[in-house]
Amino acid sequence: EAGVTQFPSHSVIEKGQTVTLRCDPISGHDNLYWYRRVMGKEIKFLLHFVKESKQDESGMPNNRFLAERTGGTYSTLKVQPAELEDSGVYFCASSLNSGLSTDTQYFGPGTRLTVL
Amino acid sequence: LAKTTQPISMDSYEGQEVNITCSHNNIATNDYITWYQQFPSQGPRFIIQGYKTKVTNEVASLFIPADRKSSTLSLPRVSLSDTAVYYCLVFKGSGGYQKVTFGIGTKLQVIP
Repeated sequence: EAGVTQFPSHSVIEKGQTVTLRCDPISGHDNLYWYRRVMGKEIKFLLHFVKESKQDESGMPNNRFLAERTGGTYSTLKVQPAELEDSGVYFCASSLNSGLSTDTQYFGPGTRLTVL
Repeated sequence: LAKTTQPISMDSYEGQEVNITCSHNNIATNDYITWYQQFPSQGPRFIIQGYKTKVTNEVASLFIPADRKSSTLSLPRVSLSDTAVYYCLVFKGSGGYQKVTFGIGTKLQVIP
């Protein structure tokens, strides 16, 4: 079974440009999460989808970030316009939503974003 | 979310057993303890999860005392490939949505 995949693995852009990150969750996983680690900091929650619906956007830093999950499958995270402080590693995770007491979150390899 | 505290770093020689202890004093009744492992340039990888007493899988063991205010991840006979950052997390046991908060983790360095 394929794991969570993310594209691209690396992205280098200039300040003011737009970048779109993509996440493909494990097939059948209703929950999809985005996280971010900026240099030297902890991994921070950004937002959570259940299928195509945004369940929690409390971690999104500002309105330059837009996440979508049309059709409840893959998700995109767009940063427009990118700023220097957006540099970091963006992780995507998915979980089953089986109704059990806890669902394990499976993480992708991350996308390393560098804003120059 | 229950806050967790764990050592920032640990060193161990190859072949030794490594125990990483995490404290979670304000863990709630329905919360589960979960450990993740992260290698450089990779995403966190699930290792083990438990509620109480002892859980063992092919990778590690997790010991949780009766008061559940701490837990210990035990890695038997570590090898160089176990060098990684280990995160102790507390998940709310309500199913479905889990808003995970990562701490700094414990950086384990295995020495030849």
